[in-house]
Amino acid sequence: QKEVEQDPGPLSVPEGAIVSLNCTYSNSAFQYFMWYRQYSRKGPELLMYTYSSGNKEDGRFTAQVDKSSKYISLFIRDSQPSDSATYLCSISNFGNEKLTFGTGTRLTIIP
Amino acid sequence: NAGVTQTPKFRILKIGQSMTLQCTQDMNHNYMYWYRQDPGMGLKLIYYSVGAGITDKGEVPNGYNVSRSTTEDFPLRLELAAPSQTSVYFCASRRDRDYGYTFGSGTRLTVV
Repeated sequence: QKEVEQDPGPLSVPEGAIVSLNCTYSNSAFQYFMWYRQYSRKGPELLMYTYSSGNKEDGRFTAQVDKSSKYISLFIRDSQPSDSATYLCSISNFGNEKLTFGTGTRLTIIP
Repeated sequence: NAGVTQTPKFRILKIGQSMTLQCTQDMNHNYMYWYRQDPGMGLKLIYYSVGAGITDKGEVPNGYNVSRSTTEDFPLRLELAAPSQTSVYFCASRRDRDYGYTFGSGTRLTVV
């Protein structure tokens, strides 16, 4: 079983819609969770970082963690064409030297 | 503030040739990483370093070598290039274990 599972998509939604991106993980010891956004032909950039169950908001983005279900989500409100990118989830333990990444979900926002 | 700089951005190699992918960061980060990204396969860790003089293998190290003589630089060496090494290579760094990565813009390598 992979440590992190992420639906690769592709996912296409109309502009203005709410987008939900999800990952599941297998190891309950994981303690902090990140989302990266990767535009085409660019390196990933850190979008959200959280280490507790519940929600964390940053503008139109909300990261949600459910440790009991080992499930993490990224919600994008009022989606824009500029949100079109691949989104990667990432998880780790505190003190771990390496991050574990999902395979990424390719998202397209249709104007 | 340049962040993580990778050179070259693109390269075509012939089978059996060798090359070095350069990675430099100016943030004084201790931790540095090399990943390869293939379509639909996500990021695969090749090698990483927790400080100058210290390197360790990731999940796909075969065919690659690294060195870390300074905090700033973490070059990746490909010996005897093979078509299976065609990929996009990303270098990343982070300040400490509990921080996110800063990625470079990548090197797109084709082996023919």
